[in-house]
Amino acid sequence: GAVVSQHPSWVICKSGTSVKIECRSLDFQATTMFWYRQFPKQSLMLMATSNEGSKATYEQGVEKDKFLINHASLTLSTLTVTSAHPEDSSFYICSGTDRGSGSPLHFGNGTRLTVT
Amino acid sequence: GESVGLHLPTLSVQEGDNSIINCAYSNSASDYFIWYKQESGKGPQFIIDIRSNMDKRQGQRVTVLLNKTVKHLSLQIAATQPGDSAVYFCAEAAGGYNKLIFGAGTRLAVHP
Repeated sequence: GAVVSQHPSWVICKSGTSVKIECRSLDFQATTMFWYRQFPKQSLMLMATSNEGSKATYEQGVEKDKFLINHASLTLSTLTVTSAHPEDSSFYICSGTDRGSGSPLHFGNGTRLTVT
Repeated sequence: GESVGLHLPTLSVQEGDNSIINCAYSNSASDYFIWYKQESGKGPQFIIDIRSNMDKRQGQRVTVLLNKTVKHLSLQIAATQPGDSAVYFCAEAAGGYNKLIFGAGTRLAVHP
């Protein structure tokens, strides 16, 4: 149980275009989802907290107008990287908590974004 | 401040040996800690967690030790196997399970 699915698993896009990444909780309801970014050989850095039905909360230094987050339902949060640049190339990972069980965060398998 | 990882130390062990991975956390208010295992190209996988009212917790082949005095966390893996090779991260949270801050990570390399 507590499976989080991300789509796509990898994407290549051209500089200046936008990319949407989906994060779904498959067998539980997640009122809160989190988006992380991970550069090679580095740790996970929290980007934002996505709350169902309300605006996301962004960490310091993360541009909210560049990384658009939508959490329209209890099972889906999306991250859109707008006007992508090569420096946005990274591994993006989402996570969610099963509000029913209070179990630890479960992570998706990540999305590898490459901006050319 | 927050724990931020900018390098990735490596622990090399022989198959069958015990492994100990250490982590120093930064926030004195953190009351919940988790160890995750991350294989290449995948998301973190939950291993074991511990709350601040405990100093030790055991799972299957794994033990987590918490020393709040020095803000130190360790993960012990018994009889390490090649399948244990991965990057291990500790994560801390304050006031619940929600906002996790990850440590720098340690790469575990298991040699036959």
